[in-house]
Amino acid sequence: DGGITQSPKYLFRKEGQNVTLSCEQNLNHDAMYWYRQDPGQGLRLIYYSQIVNDFQKGDIAEGYSVSREKKESFPLTVTSAQKNPTAFYLCASRMTGVGQPQHFGDGTRLSIL
Amino acid sequence: RKEVEQDPGPFNVPEGATVAFNCTYSNSASQSFFWYRQDCRKEPKLLMSVYSSGNEDGRFTAQLNRASQYISLLIRDSKLSDSATYLCVVNGASGGYNKLIFGAGTRLAVHP
Repeated sequence: DGGITQSPKYLFRKEGQNVTLSCEQNLNHDAMYWYRQDPGQGLRLIYYSQIVNDFQKGDIAEGYSVSREKKESFPLTVTSAQKNPTAFYLCASRMTGVGQPQHFGDGTRLSIL
Repeated sequence: RKEVEQDPGPFNVPEGATVAFNCTYSNSASQSFFWYRQDCRKEPKLLMSVYSSGNEDGRFTAQLNRASQYISLLIRDSKLSDSATYLCVVNGASGGYNKLIFGAGTRLAVHP
């Protein structure tokens, strides 16, 4: 069954702790994305990657880091420098090219303990 | 000016009504346009792509006006299950065609 898998579904972070959110896709998509969504707000782009071993900062990259060592995987680390990490995190992927839509995982909800 | 702008709503309509949403975008070079639907506390899901000639999928019709740089979504015969937030999406000015810009969404509430 093809798709995008995010884990865990819920995550709790202690003060000063780094946490990593997993995103795996088996759609053979080149591009992958991480978004943050706060309650009642739109999506904000954190990082995106168009090919393996390459990624670019989005609009709100501070306090986050990513890696893209494999085409299928694009993990997001929320570092202790991110002072307000409580949000809904969404991973997406797409084929590159005009007219290609994004497909989303079902998200991870991160909260501070 | 935001790259993609939508009326946040909410639009409150009775079942069976016809409702239309508009969305404006700032980059005249954009070539990819979509409408997504997002239910409360869920991920966005693709509703339909928007093509230059306009396109229809059942009760949903999408239109693109390149000259005025806006996109519309028309929903006919609204159902209770249409209640959701509708996101307008356009490919962005920076990062080339691989970066999609999401509007903040328009909320629709369909009541009996």
